[in-house]
Amino acid sequence: DGGITQSPKYLFRKEGQNVTLSCEQNLNHDAMYWYRQDPGQGLRLIYYSQIVNDFQKGDIAEGYSVSREKKESFPLTVTSAQKNPTAFYLCASRGGGQNTEAFFGQGTRLTVV
Amino acid sequence: GQNIDQPTEMTATEGAIVQINCTYQTSGFNGLFWYQQHAGEAPTFLSYNVLDGLEEKGRFSSFLSRSKGYSYLLLKELQMKDSASYLCAVREQTGGFKTIFGAGTRLFVKA
Repeated sequence: DGGITQSPKYLFRKEGQNVTLSCEQNLNHDAMYWYRQDPGQGLRLIYYSQIVNDFQKGDIAEGYSVSREKKESFPLTVTSAQKNPTAFYLCASRGGGQNTEAFFGQGTRLTVV
Repeated sequence: GQNIDQPTEMTATEGAIVQINCTYQTSGFNGLFWYQQHAGEAPTFLSYNVLDGLEEKGRFSSFLSRSKGYSYLLLKELQMKDSASYLCAVREQTGGFKTIFGAGTRLFVKA
């Protein structure tokens, strides 16, 4: 079945360590997105990519990095520069066309201790 | 810049109708989406509006007025499973396309 997969679902890291969150899609979508969600809040855009080998900063890119070497994959690295990394991270992808909605992965809950 | 406002919480009774409002300010408007999100899960798509008017899909309808920067999601015949957060999201075309989400409205459906 086609879909978008994030792994792992739960992730624990020590403060000061970098950590990479995986996002893979087999929907043949060009656009991919990373959002962060804090308790009781909406989604905030971290980075997005419209096409392979290209990506743009969202509203809260500081302390994060991404790569888009393959159409199917858009990993997010949470670096030690991110001051408050504990959150729920959601990856999404979208196909072409104006009225196409985003499909979300199941999310990764990152806890930094 | 962009700004999306929704009520934080709403409560309604099973079987009733509820309207969740969303106002937005954005440049390069390119469509408005509503998503449903149950706690700890991913958002799922409900509706899309790009032209003014009402879009109906089963128990859910969504309305858009671009001149007023206003949308609402209407849920009819409420069921307990409709208890969730409802996210209003606006897509902007500023170079590329990006979708900005509101903080969401937590809906509690009571018996």
